Amino acid sequence: DTEVTQTPKHLVMGMTNKKSLKCEQHMGHRAMYWYKQKAKKPPELMFVYSYEKLSINESVPSRFSPECPNSSLLNLHLHALQPEDSALYLCASSQQGQTLSSYNEQFFGPGTRLTVL
Amino acid sequence: TQLLEQSPQFLSIQEGENLTVYCNSSSVFSSLQWYRQEPGEGPVLLVTVVTGGEVKKLKRLTFQFGDARKDSSLHITAAQPGDTGLYLCAPRMTTDSWGKLQFGAGTQVVVTP
Repeated sequence: DTEVTQTPKHLVMGMTNKKSLKCEQHMGHRAMYWYKQKAKKPPELMFVYSYEKLSINESVPSRFSPECPNSSLLNLHLHALQPEDSALYLCASSQQGQTLSSYNEQFFGPGTRLTVL
Repeated sequence: TQLLEQSPQFLSIQEGENLTVYCNSSSVFSSLQWYRQEPGEGPVLLVTVVTGGEVKKLKRLTFQFGDARKDSSLHITAAQPGDTGLYLCAPRMTTDSWGKLQFGAGTQVVVTP
């Protein structure tokens, strides 16, 4: 299985709602990522998990809360979002590599298209 | 964050024409990946280049890594409508902490029949 799956595909939520995005991979990867992508822009890194521990938080607002329950699953909990948070949210995974020689080749899911009203 | 330039931003060509996309920086890359992203989908890894001067081919796509590892190019020969998409370079800088993949601004390629 060389696939990263994400659910839901589309999500519409109000500013007072609480929702969660889910990501799953069965490639044995020990690093998982959340990215945010606005239209016509490249993906922007939000969080990196390494061996189920948060290793990078790119100064993301606390209304986004990541969680890594196990090595195959990654969640992004959403609460009190703003309309400007509307975007495509991408999950990715890669082999764990601690050295600069590791290529960090990332495999992306199809994304969740989020609209905040 | 290191300065990374990807050009052009947009390319519209006819089927059968060739095109080249460039990715440049003043910093040295330890490696570089090229991705293609279609609308509504996540980026798909095309290739990783590692060695200065390296050339890799993937069907009609040719990837080059500069001798000094500060630039890379993607050349498509005889483009087809299926090549339409957003092409992203993603270098790994020698100074980057592990896990960070910096993406170029992207090149939107449109190939019309």
